[in-house]
Amino acid sequence: EVQLLESGGGLLQPGGSLRLSCATSGFIFSGFAMTWVRQAPGKGLEWVSAISDLDSVTYYADSVKGRFTISRDRSTNTLHLQMNSLRAEDTAVYYCAKRSGAWNGYLDSWGQGTLVTVAS
Amino acid sequence: EIVMTQSPATLSVFPGERATLSCRASQNINSNLAWYRQYPGQTPRLLIYDASTRATGVPARFSASASGTEFTLTITSLQSEDFAVYYCHQYNNWPLTFGGGTKVEIK
Repeated sequence: EVQLLESGGGLLQPGGSLRLSCATSGFIFSGFAMTWVRQAPGKGLEWVSAISDLDSVTYYADSVKGRFTISRDRSTNTLHLQMNSLRAEDTAVYYCAKRSGAWNGYLDSWGQGTLVTVAS
Repeated sequence: EIVMTQSPATLSVFPGERATLSCRASQNINSNLAWYRQYPGQTPRLLIYDASTRATGVPARFSASASGTEFTLTITSLQSEDFAVYYCHQYNNWPLTFGGGTKVEIK
């Protein structure tokens, strides 16, 4: 069974930094692309970032480009999202999700999410 | 960016009735469309992928179809667990995008 478990969320001030992690199990981590999707309170889903499987090509939404960095650690089967220069509008539940393919595909498994709150 | 437009925003349906949800893409996405269901405070769950294929464990009362850039999710004979928010999602182009969601509520 695929399991994704996010951690690292919290409350911080604008301009701060945070690193989210997503521990994975139940599938061959190096064989699938992974993504981060966020959901602001009471709002819809917004794609944030994605990373391919072996070559770790990365993609970012314009809203986070230059501030967020996605990475994957194959030794621990963990996905990370380094978030810098955080803004109030980054406040959201952040979900990691597994893609169905090595390069692209739909999101076939989701974690339970971790809440990031940016406020002064 | 491909814009995904869902309609209606809210759909009120009696239990046991049919619900039809729509999603329109602003440009061609082939069949690279998925549907997800989300309960309040919970994680989204994949229902449909490749526009019309039910995910593992999804009941047969869920069906989906596509016509050009128009996509439809149909839920026949709504059960209590079907009242939720549904999102469409295109994975054909970067950036990945989602529709704004359709809330299916009890009438």
